Amino acid sequence: AQKVTQAQTEISVVEKEDVTLDCVYETRDTTYYLFWYKQPPSGELVFLIRRNSFDEQNEISGRYSWNFQKSTSSFNFTITASQVVDSAVYFCALSGFANFGNEKLTFGTGTRLTIIP
Amino acid sequence: KAGVTQTPRYLIKTRGQQVTLSCSPISGHRSVSWYQQTPGQGLQFLFEYFSETQRNKGNFPGRFSGRQFSNSRSEMNVSTLELGDSALYLCASSQAIGRETQYFGPGTRLLVL
Repeated sequence: AQKVTQAQTEISVVEKEDVTLDCVYETRDTTYYLFWYKQPPSGELVFLIRRNSFDEQNEISGRYSWNFQKSTSSFNFTITASQVVDSAVYFCALSGFANFGNEKLTFGTGTRLTIIP
Repeated sequence: KAGVTQTPRYLIKTRGQQVTLSCSPISGHRSVSWYQQTPGQGLQFLFEYFSETQRNKGNFPGRFSGRQFSNSRSEMNVSTLELGDSALYLCASSQAIGRETQYFGPGTRLLVL
């Protein structure tokens, strides 16, 4: 069975501080995808990034960066110089690729990030 | 390109009633998945449709059903509503099945009284 753990339930930081959201996953699949989604108060899940299990290169997109470490089954997300607009709930998710059709996303419980002006 | 659209956005029903939610995927996307989000259980997978066929199903009772039409639009139905069915129902679409990123709609907030 697949599992995603986001141990940090809530995080509050002052604007312009850096913040890292942790994600640890469990899967028996040899090939899988990891995702991060952002959920603002409006409710819509906004796609941020997808990572293939074979690609362990870190990725940077503007103020966002992701650190994927297969050895520790972690896929952490860092926001640099946080802004109030970054306030949202962030979900880490895992998608298996074992069988055709078995592509449901397994989500973590989410981390509520509050940026204090 | 327009995103995933869901109707209605808000819905209030009473116990025992049934409800139908609609989802229109991104143009060109053929796979539609449904998720239920509640404060207690988080985000849970309901089912996935591709080419009008249900390809994958989560662990929900038979009161939850869905279908997909030839234009890839999808509906989900919940019969005999229970208070615990109050949730945000999210629809996601992807270009195909497998390996694809799912893009989510704004959701339908269902309140069961």
